[in-house]
Amino acid sequence: EDKVVQSPLSLVVHEGDTVTLNCSYEVTNFRSLLWYKQEKKAPTFLFMLTSSGIEKKSGRLSSILDKKELFSILNITATQTGDSAIYLCAVSGWGSQGNLIFGKGTKLSVKP
Amino acid sequence: DTEVTQTPKHLVMGMTNKKSLKCEQHMGHRAMYWYKQKAKKPPELMFVYSYEKLSINESVPSRFSPECPNSSLLNLHLHALQPEDSALYLCASSQDLIRSNQPQHFGDGTRLSIL
Repeated sequence: EDKVVQSPLSLVVHEGDTVTLNCSYEVTNFRSLLWYKQEKKAPTFLFMLTSSGIEKKSGRLSSILDKKELFSILNITATQTGDSAIYLCAVSGWGSQGNLIFGKGTKLSVKP
Repeated sequence: DTEVTQTPKHLVMGMTNKKSLKCEQHMGHRAMYWYKQKAKKPPELMFVYSYEKLSINESVPSRFSPECPNSSLLNLHLHALQPEDSALYLCASSQDLIRSNQPQHFGDGTRLSIL
C-alpha cells in the first residue's frame, strides 16, 4: 500500500534557527514527490522532485530526494515567523491517475 | 491568491439543502481534482477529471456529485449532506495526468459547515 510518513509531526523553533523536515515514502512506480506549505487555506506548492540527489532551492528553502532510500528532506534556514505553517509531503506514482498520497504533515511554529 | 479560484469561500447549509461548489482555472490545465480536508488532517482525494472526463471516484458517497462542464470549470453538487461532511473542500488543477509531470495547484478552498 502506498504511504507517506512525515517527521516530526510538530516542531517549535525560534527565529533564525535552521530546521529539517523529513518525508519517507512507499509508492508503486514512483513519479514525483511534492512539498506544499499550508497556512490557513490552500496548500501552496513549494517543490516537485523527480530525480535523486538534485537539490531544489528557493530562497531560504531547499529540498532533496533520495530515491534509493525513499525519502526527502525540506530544509529551511534562518527561519522567520512567517514560516509557521503545516508542511505537507505528497507522492504520486505513474498510472495512479494523478492521485497524490499525502503525509500527515509537519506543523512548524517559529517563535519570535 | 491562487490561480485556482473557488467559490464560495464559506458555506453553511442544512442537511436537506442542495448547493454547489465551484472551481475555475484559466491556466489551460486539463486535469482537475476535488479534495476533502478535515481539521488537522491532510487532504483526501475525492474525484479526478482528465480532459473533462471523470477519471477517479474515490468511493465518494452519491450525495456528492461532480461535474466538469468545460476545461476551465469544475463543480461539486451537494445534496442531503451529513454533519460529518463539514470540512474544507479543495479544488486543484494540473497540466495533464498522463503526458506531463507537473504539480497540482490548489485553490483556497470552500469551508463547508453542515447544520
